[in-house]
Amino acid sequence: SQTIHQWPATLVQPVGSPLSLECTVEGTSNPNLYWYRQAAGRGLQLLFYSVGIGQISSEVPQNLSASRPQDRQFILSSKKLLLSDSGFYLCAWSALSTGNANTIYFGEGSWLTVV
Amino acid sequence: AQSVSQHNHHVILSEAASLELGCNYSYGGTVNLFWYVQYPGQHLQLLLKYFSGDPLVKGIKGFEAEFIKSKFSFNLRKPSVQWSDTAEYFCAVKPGTGRRALTFGSGTRLQVQP
Repeated sequence: SQTIHQWPATLVQPVGSPLSLECTVEGTSNPNLYWYRQAAGRGLQLLFYSVGIGQISSEVPQNLSASRPQDRQFILSSKKLLLSDSGFYLCAWSALSTGNANTIYFGEGSWLTVV
Repeated sequence: AQSVSQHNHHVILSEAASLELGCNYSYGGTVNLFWYVQYPGQHLQLLLKYFSGDPLVKGIKGFEAEFIKSKFSFNLRKPSVQWSDTAEYFCAVKPGTGRRALTFGSGTRLQVQP
């Protein structure tokens, strides 16, 4: 069965420090990968999605970047965090096959607090 | 671009009451529709989904949702809620073609009082 893991689960970082959140998927090949953010009191916002290694699409301009160095690895980064980067970050994946192409599965999430 | 509106931000019900959470979307083409649930301290889980066919979709834990194309709506319902249904509920829409991601509503926090 497919699984998705992201870490760290919680993170407290000072303003101006770098960020790296990592996500890996197991049990599937060539998944679509996503990073979402859920800010306090708001819904889920798509940040990045990737349809293959090295292929990243950004949905909103921001202080963050994403990379996909391997097929099942997706990394969310920042060189200098802002207070507004605080939130709950979710990695997600969907399969390439037509039967389940439109269902997206989420990881456990990472709580980021920028202080 | 598509958008999703959930008009109820916070709903408080007593156990055994009936539930209906509203969800409206804006997108002119074929859509896939989803409801996700996030229980306190847990990650997002898929509650139910609609791709095509019968517009009345049944999900886990007694939930159902009805797709009304003419109203661009996908409301979530449950005849009798339980305290364990306390959670945040998210409606989401995805264009029916392509590899696009989901667009989520802002969520509805449901609090069920025993």
